[in-house]
Amino acid sequence: RKEVEQDPGPFNVPEGATVAFNCTYSNSASQSFFWYRQDCRKEPKLLMSVYSSGNEDGRFTAQLNRASQYISLLIRDSKLSDSATYLCVPTYGGATNKLIFGTGTLLAVQP
Amino acid sequence: EPEVTQTPSHQVTQMGQEVILRCVPISNHLYFYWYRQILGQKVEFLVSFYNNEISEKSEIFDDQFSVERPDGSNFTLKIRSTKLEDSAMYFCASKGQGASPLHFGNGTRLTVT
Repeated sequence: RKEVEQDPGPFNVPEGATVAFNCTYSNSASQSFFWYRQDCRKEPKLLMSVYSSGNEDGRFTAQLNRASQYISLLIRDSKLSDSATYLCVPTYGGATNKLIFGTGTLLAVQP
Repeated sequence: EPEVTQTPSHQVTQMGQEVILRCVPISNHLYFYWYRQILGQKVEFLVSFYNNEISEKSEIFDDQFSVERPDGSNFTLKIRSTKLEDSAMYFCASKGQGASPLHFGNGTRLTVT
């Protein structure tokens, strides 16, 4: 089983739409969770951390379900600038706390 | 906002040559990483470095690769004898203590011809 599984998309949505991404992770020992976004040929950039109780940052809402090993990201009122690949990223603690990336979900917001 | 910086932004080298990719992590960070991304593929972990030693490395990080923190600010990745399949984007990252996220540099695009 892959460490992180996301629907690769692409998700083609009109401006102003609400879009949701789902993610499952396989390692129940994962301690911290993040959503990153990556623009084409650029570095991954932190979008937001994901907290157990769920959290919101402007138009973005993240949810975590540890029992189901499931993370979600909701984007409201999509903007053209939201077009990117969204990466669900658990960490594995220990000495390195490295991030393991999946292939992510590609979002294309259309005018 | 402090950031991770990488140089050069693009490196072209011939197969068999040695390359050194350079990174300046965020100054108060303690954990350092190299990742790579082959065009069209996912970001892959190479190595993590903490307390002046490698703390973890992936299968990709074979004997051709090495990392060094020669002074208090730089963190380098050396590829001893480059292969065509080493062509990729190489990202350096750093993080602070605890469950903080990684911060990535803007990458070095390595092209091996």
